[in-house]
Amino acid sequence: ETGVTQTPRHLVMGMTNKKSLKCEQHLGHNAMYWYKQSAKKPLELMFVYNFKEQTENNSVPSRFSPECPNSSHLFLHLHTLQPEDSALYLCASSHSRGTYEQYFGPGTRLTVT
Amino acid sequence: QKEVEQNSGPLSVPEGAIASLNCTYSDRGSQSFFWYRQYSGKSPELIMSIYSNGDKEDGRFTAQLNKASQYVSLLIRDSQPSDSATYLCAVVSGNTPLVFGKGTRLSVIA
Repeated sequence: ETGVTQTPRHLVMGMTNKKSLKCEQHLGHNAMYWYKQSAKKPLELMFVYNFKEQTENNSVPSRFSPECPNSSHLFLHLHTLQPEDSALYLCASSHSRGTYEQYFGPGTRLTVT
Repeated sequence: QKEVEQNSGPLSVPEGAIASLNCTYSDRGSQSFFWYRQYSGKSPELIMSIYSNGDKEDGRFTAQLNKASQYVSLLIRDSQPSDSATYLCAVVSGNTPLVFGKGTRLSVIA
């Protein structure tokens, strides 16, 4: 595997379900990011981790819970989501939080029913 | 609120022409600028970065930065149908992570 991988690629979940998105980077980077991309909206930064420490939480609802066990792995735990949370969730990584060239994974297309 | 503005398009150009994509940003202190290409249903791919005023060329792509006018552009020479995608402008200001524009959809007509 190379670059940034994400699983699953597609996910359909009900509002009462609990699921997790997984991201893994194989680039030796130390910073990882979660973004949300909805139709006709700019990419929205959700969370930033630098050397496993969360450095940004952009007023994301608590139904989204990130976890970063090490610099290579990032999870987004989902529970009691709303239909408006349906979007493409993108993971990205960069060498460190101070270097801004970010590389994206393929994304998880989430549909909340 | 730091903002990055792009015309949503679509911008249609004939094959072989120059495509010009524009981006303005609100924070005069911004220091790093990036262009990402996103094909439909795919994730953004970094294609250019520029940090100082002037032009930066990479193959058929040229990024242009004018900090006084708070303006960054991307020129694509000899446009190909495979260049049809949404192009995202992203800006870094101070210690904040990337702020993305909504993107401009480019359509290259064969």
